[in-house]
Amino acid sequence: DAKTTQPPSMDCAEGRAANLPCNHSTISGNEYVYWYRQIHSQGPQYIIHGLKNNETNEMASLIITEDRKSSTLILPHATLRDTAVYYCIVRVPGTSGSARQLTFGSGTQLTVLP
Amino acid sequence: EAGVAQSPRYKIIEKRQSVAFWCNPISGHATLYWYQQILGQGPKLLIQFQNNGVVDDSQLPKDRFSAERLKGVDSTLKIQPAKLEDSAVYLCASSMGQTAKNIQYFGAGTRLSVL
Repeated sequence: DAKTTQPPSMDCAEGRAANLPCNHSTISGNEYVYWYRQIHSQGPQYIIHGLKNNETNEMASLIITEDRKSSTLILPHATLRDTAVYYCIVRVPGTSGSARQLTFGSGTQLTVLP
Repeated sequence: EAGVAQSPRYKIIEKRQSVAFWCNPISGHATLYWYQQILGQGPKLLIQFQNNGVVDDSQLPKDRFSAERLKGVDSTLKIQPAKLEDSAVYLCASSMGQTAKNIQYFGAGTRLSVL
């Protein structure tokens, strides 16, 4: 079962910031939040991940609430090439105690409009 | 740096036939994953290898699916016999390790159509 909840779709104007929300109210203390995206006919692409603190890289920023029950992925200046399905994933610990698989939900279809 | 390579990109077969997919992970990546992605859904893990050993195959339909990773590098996923519901994109991913800090890199996938 997916452990995250995301809106099925969102639109964003080109050049504006895209803010994609994700709820993960049952997250455990040692679980990371990952964001991947999948452009049509391609494999998923890693964007960013975090545990507690906010994170930023060349692609996006990740804001995690203090209680860690939700997060927001921010694309600061969305372009048409950012149109994709965005997946918020909580990394599931494996039976040996080490994190293993990524459990994908249905994600959010982000459409960047010209 | 070369990414994860998969072949073929597309495959069309009839039900009850067999099919095989090939994956070459990023050089040096010890962990390899096979995912199945049905249209409109997110990818679902089928099997995970650490080097040439299986770490997790709990969601692999073992009556018809098999996978191997000889020598801990390339991997092959096989379906025999195929069913209509096996129509999906089969994605291969690799990472340096298994822990939460290891990023998974995905190939472009093989789109299988079973008629």
